[in-house]
Amino acid sequence: AQSVSQHNHHVILSEAASLELGCNYSYGGTVNLFWYVQYPGQHLQLLLKYFSGDPLVKGIKGFEAEFIKSKFSFNLRKPSVQWSDTAEYFCAVNFGNAGNMLTFGGGTRLMVKP
Amino acid sequence: GAGVSQSPSNKVTEKGKDVELRCDPISGHTALYWYRQSLGQGLEFLIYFQGNSAPDKSGLPSDRFSAERTGGSVSTLTIQRTQQEDSAVYLCASSSGTGQETQYFGPGTRLLVL
Repeated sequence: AQSVSQHNHHVILSEAASLELGCNYSYGGTVNLFWYVQYPGQHLQLLLKYFSGDPLVKGIKGFEAEFIKSKFSFNLRKPSVQWSDTAEYFCAVNFGNAGNMLTFGGGTRLMVKP
Repeated sequence: GAGVSQSPSNKVTEKGKDVELRCDPISGHTALYWYRQSLGQGLEFLIYFQGNSAPDKSGLPSDRFSAERTGGSVSTLTIQRTQQEDSAVYLCASSSGTGQETQYFGPGTRLLVL
C-alpha cells in the first residue's frame, strides 16, 4: 500500500533556528503533495502545495518545500522559526492512481522555545 | 460562513449507541471527504463524495460506518453501535472537484465513546 512517512515525530527548536521536516512517500507515479499545519486548538490549514512545475514551492508564513522526485521526498523548510510556529505539521499526498483522497504522514509536533 | 463547518464540535456517547456527525462543505464545492484523526492511527481517509457519483467508501473501517450526502451539499457520517475504539476526531473536508485541487478542512467533531 502507498504510504507517507514523516521521520521526525517531535522537534524542539529555539526561535530563529532553521527548520527542516522530512516527508517521504512510497510511489513512483504522479503525485500531488501538500503540507498542512494544525495550530493548538485550531483546524488543519494548508501551508503549501505542489502539483507540477517548479519543484521549489513557497507557502504562507515563510515556509517552503522542495519536491525531489528521485528521492520521493517533499521536505518542509523555514530559515528562521518563530514561537508562533509551534504546531503540528502534516505531510499529505494524493497518489495519482488512488482517487482524490489524501494519505497523511504521522505528523510532526514542533515546539519553538521563545 | 466561508469555511467548512461541522457539528457537533464535541460528542460523548455510551458504547453501543448510534451517533450522527454533520458536515457543511464550502458553498459550490462538489467534492466532500471524511477523515478520522486518532492517537493510534493518525489521519485516515474514510469516504469521499464527488458530485452525483457513487461514493468511494474504501476507507470505512467497518460496516458500522456509513455516510450520505443529501442534495450534493450537507453530509452526515453515521456510526452505529459505537465502540470505544471509535473515539477520535472526525474531520470533514471539501474541494472544488475540478481536478488538481486543495482540500479545505473543517474544525472536526471530537467523539468520545465511554
